[in-house]
Amino acid sequence: AQSVTQLGSHVSVSEGALVLLRCNYSSSVPPYLFWYVQYPNQGLQLLLKYTTGATLVKGINGFEAEFKKSETSFHLTKPSAHMSDAAEYFCAVSYPAAGNKLTFGGGTRVLVKP
Amino acid sequence: SAVISQKPSRDICQRGTSLTIQCQVDSQVTMMFWYRQQPGQSLTLIATANQGSEATYESGFVIDKFPISRPNLTFSTLTVSNMSPEDSSIYLCSGPVEGTDTQYFGPGTRLTVL
Repeated sequence: AQSVTQLGSHVSVSEGALVLLRCNYSSSVPPYLFWYVQYPNQGLQLLLKYTTGATLVKGINGFEAEFKKSETSFHLTKPSAHMSDAAEYFCAVSYPAAGNKLTFGGGTRVLVKP
Repeated sequence: SAVISQKPSRDICQRGTSLTIQCQVDSQVTMMFWYRQQPGQSLTLIATANQGSEATYESGFVIDKFPISRPNLTFSTLTVSNMSPEDSSIYLCSGPVEGTDTQYFGPGTRLTVL
């Protein structure tokens, strides 16, 4: 079965510092990869996705992620954290052959310190 | 993107009762998905709802507990039956925009069972 691992359930960063959230998947076939953000008491919002093509993808709010097949990773970064980035972030994978249903990582809660 | 709405946004229910959650999409989608997010945890897929056929349930979820309806391509309901406090969770529906591989989520229904 496919699985998604997010290293670190909580990450604390200072405002203006680099945000790095790690995501690794386990499957022999590269999946489609997604990062979603969940603000308090809200649903999930898509940040970015990778399906095919360029392995560095840019998303909303200044986030980007790079797909590295050799490392089975899809880490999320933002050069400079803003207070509004405080939220929970979920990495997810899907497989077209499996109907595009999503399998989520455990989530990483980001705290931004002033 | 797709706009997905859910009703109710939250509810507090008594043990042993049932609650039906509605999910409405602003465009036609072939598949809709229902997820559960238990307190402090990630999302777990409950079932896939296809129009015109029975829902497909994931391991650990059964139709008697979570009956699903899908009367047309823009609407679905999930019922949480014979509720217990362990059912207290956020329930989210999602659907991919037709022709894309990206799922968009509703705002969720926050259920508390006393």
